[in-house]
Amino acid sequence: GENVEQHPSTLSVQEGDSAVIKCTYSDSASNYFPWYKQELGKRPQLIIDIRSNVGEKKDQRIAVTLNKTAKHFSLHITETQPEDSAVYFCAASSSGSARQLTFGSGTQLTVLP
Amino acid sequence: EPEVTQTPSHQVTQMGQEVILRCVPISNHLYFYWYRQILGQKVEFLVSFYNNEISEKSEIFDDQFSVERPDGSNFTLKIRSTKLEDSAMYFCASSSDTGELFFGEGSRLTVL
Repeated sequence: GENVEQHPSTLSVQEGDSAVIKCTYSDSASNYFPWYKQELGKRPQLIIDIRSNVGEKKDQRIAVTLNKTAKHFSLHITETQPEDSAVYFCAASSSGSARQLTFGSGTQLTVLP
Repeated sequence: EPEVTQTPSHQVTQMGQEVILRCVPISNHLYFYWYRQILGQKVEFLVSFYNNEISEKSEIFDDQFSVERPDGSNFTLKIRSTKLEDSAMYFCASSSDTGELFFGEGSRLTVL
């Protein structure tokens, strides 16, 4: 089955700096890669996703890049703000419409004011 | 904005007792899921459900677990005989054909 590795496990940045979180996956059939933000005690919320036919996707301060050859994808947050502080999870899915997501282990991002 | 809703938000039970967690998926979604998250760990897939049957399940989803869609709106997860290690946050999720998963707020299960 799919295995997703995520690094780093913790990340502290100064407000205004950029943050980068990286994930690798094992199943070359995976074709959908979402990123979720989870605040303490809350549900995971989708912040951005990318499909295997695209190499990069941006949404305001958030971008995701995908390298299918190397089987890794990354989340980039620019101009970080204290409210970006949360746990971020990457995930991968090789299913069709049914989304059996395999999650990474999470990154605790702390944005220092 | 439509949401996945879950009840109860927190349930405390004794080891060996049966527990039923309830979910109301988003109304026009066709795929339903249960995930769990042990405190401080990653989210883990349990089961997916489509067209009134299980489509995929993980190794975690053993004979102690079952899912049901008893009517047109509810989707339930039953744990027959709870164990200490079943203590976790259980998230229900649903998706349409586009595949984006929407998670509920979760049901925290504490097994004593």
